[in-house]
Amino acid sequence: GQQLNQSPQSMFIQEGEDVSMNCTSSSIFNTWLWYKQDPGEGPVLLIALYKAGELTSNGRLTAQFGITRKDSFLNISASIPSDVGIYFCAGPTTSGTYKYIFGTGTRLKVLA
Amino acid sequence: EAGVVQSPRYKIIEKKQPVAFWCNPISGHNTLYWYLQNLGQGPELLIRYENEEAVDDSQLPKDRFSAERLKGVDSTLKIQPAELGDSAVYLCASSRGTSGDTQYFGPGTRLTVL
Repeated sequence: GQQLNQSPQSMFIQEGEDVSMNCTSSSIFNTWLWYKQDPGEGPVLLIALYKAGELTSNGRLTAQFGITRKDSFLNISASIPSDVGIYFCAGPTTSGTYKYIFGTGTRLKVLA
Repeated sequence: EAGVVQSPRYKIIEKKQPVAFWCNPISGHNTLYWYLQNLGQGPELLIRYENEEAVDDSQLPKDRFSAERLKGVDSTLKIQPAELGDSAVYLCASSRGTSGDTQYFGPGTRLTVL
């Protein structure tokens, strides 16, 4: 079935640094979603991408829908302590029953 | 607008005991999802309801798990009997429709089976 692989698995960064993470798949997705999950909470949608090549921003966050439709990238500029959490990419399946597939997550830890 | 409500937030039980989780979706959302999230992994769909109909329960272990959404609003997920491997976070999400509609997640119920 369709799978999403995220890298890096985890990262420590200094406050103020920029962060990049990506999500790849061996199959095509028509929509890419980026969620953030804080400890003890459910995932919250950050950015949704609907078209190959699309670049969308939400404050300090910028995400891109890869041109091959098999990858997506999320960048965070000038990280702050509240950026700590787990970032998941997700996308709806393109075959079989409609459902979201979630990636393995990138755990972000910020050093103040 | 209130978000997705789940209760309890935490539950600790001994193996072989039954347990139930409750979810109230966002008002007006017809589609309700139950997800399982194991430690260090992304959520995995267990069951999806459109109104009161379970339209995808292919990932639900039916020997011990059951779910219902009798009036097409709130939903209950039950495990009987619970096993050690069921320890995880159980997330509920809702969306207005299905295809293309954003899913909004509740805070989850963290289950620990001893």
